Amino acid sequence: DTEVTQTPKHLVMGMTNKKSLKCEQHMGHRAMYWYKQKAKKPPELMFVYSYEKLSINESVPSRFSPECPNSSLLNLHLHALQPEDSALYLCASSHVGGRGVTGELFFGEGSRLTVL
Amino acid sequence: KQEVTQIPAALSVPEGENLVLNCSFTDSAIYNLQWFRQDPGKGLTSLLLIQSSQREQTSGRLNASLDKSSGRSTLYIAASQPGDSATYLCAVGLKGQNFVFGPGTRLSVLP
Repeated sequence: DTEVTQTPKHLVMGMTNKKSLKCEQHMGHRAMYWYKQKAKKPPELMFVYSYEKLSINESVPSRFSPECPNSSLLNLHLHALQPEDSALYLCASSHVGGRGVTGELFFGEGSRLTVL
Repeated sequence: KQEVTQIPAALSVPEGENLVLNCSFTDSAIYNLQWFRQDPGKGLTSLLLIQSSQREQTSGRLNASLDKSSGRSTLYIAASQPGDSATYLCAVGLKGQNFVFGPGTRLSVLP
């Protein structure tokens, strides 16, 4: 099983809503990632969890709140978003090798978020 | 700060041609380099991963090479097919689960 599963595939929300994006993997990976991708741009790293601890936060606004309940699950809680936050949100996972070396990244299909 | 560039930005070729996509990075202190393809509106599919100690990797019609000292990687696609049409991105793996992506090459293979 080399799948990373993301739900929902599409989400439309107003600026006052609270919603969550979910990500799940069963490959035994201990690093999980959230990326944001705008049209015709490369993915931008938002957060990295390593062994269920937040290891990288790329100065993301607090209206995005990540959570890693266990080694297989990763959530991204959304609150008071702005229209410019509309994008494709991608989850990824990888092994963590020795001395922090990173293994191959596996991506989910993404959650397409539209903020009205 | 690591910067990754890809040339060309877009490429259109007739079916059957062999082609080369280029990826350059500014800092040779990388742990690995990965090539992905992305279809419109979809996630990224891993094609090849080259560890920093390796020179190349092959998978089917794809061959990727890595020259760490010069900051370059190439992705060679043999006998291109219309189904190869997609955006191809390279990403360099840094210390601490940090990847930096290039902007991608949009490939169109015409029947």
